[in-house]
Amino acid sequence: EAGVAQSPRYKIIEKRQSVAFWCNPISGHATLYWYQQILGQGPKLLIQFQNNGVVDDSQLPKDRFSAERLKGVDSTLKIQPAKLEDSAVYLCASRSPGQGVFEQYFGPGTRLTVT
Amino acid sequence: QKEVEQDPGPLSVPEGAIVSLNCTYSNSAFQYFMWYRQYSRKGPELLMYTYSSGNKEDGRFTAQVDKSSKYISLFIRDSQPSDSATYLCAMSFYGNNRLAFGKGNQVVVIP
Repeated sequence: EAGVAQSPRYKIIEKRQSVAFWCNPISGHATLYWYQQILGQGPKLLIQFQNNGVVDDSQLPKDRFSAERLKGVDSTLKIQPAKLEDSAVYLCASRSPGQGVFEQYFGPGTRLTVT
Repeated sequence: QKEVEQDPGPLSVPEGAIVSLNCTYSNSAFQYFMWYRQYSRKGPELLMYTYSSGNKEDGRFTAQVDKSSKYISLFIRDSQPSDSATYLCAMSFYGNNRLAFGKGNQVVVIP
């Protein structure tokens, strides 16, 4: 079974630029999560999708972050414009229906550096 | 006060030693207690989970939950260099979509 795929793996941008991350979840996983993990911190949930609908985006900074999951499979997370404090690893995770919330499979993440 | 506290200080131990990690929490509604392992440049992977109080053992790993003290622990026996990773505790409760993570402990097992 292929794992969660993310791209790019690394990205360096200047502040005020835009950036987008892509995630392909495990086949059949209806639930998809985006997390932000700042160095030395645990992951923080940004947004959760169930199929192509948003379940929880309460911690997403909506003035600059947006996410979509068209057709209920792949997802993209965008930051526009980026700030220095957005430097972090952005993790995508997916979960199968019927599994516990803790049974999430994480991708390798995209490491973003904002200069 | 953060929901989950985990002292992020790095931990270096010699191969074969017992590694002891712990987290405290403030939300008494938490029912599910998890430990994730995160290797460098990788995403977290679920190591163990426990429902409510008690102990759970899986090979060299033992997870303990003491709900009365709001304290959870992970023990790694006979530690190996391959155990070198960051260990994250996380918690949730039934019906909640969100995992509350600790900051993580970096563990280095020295051959």
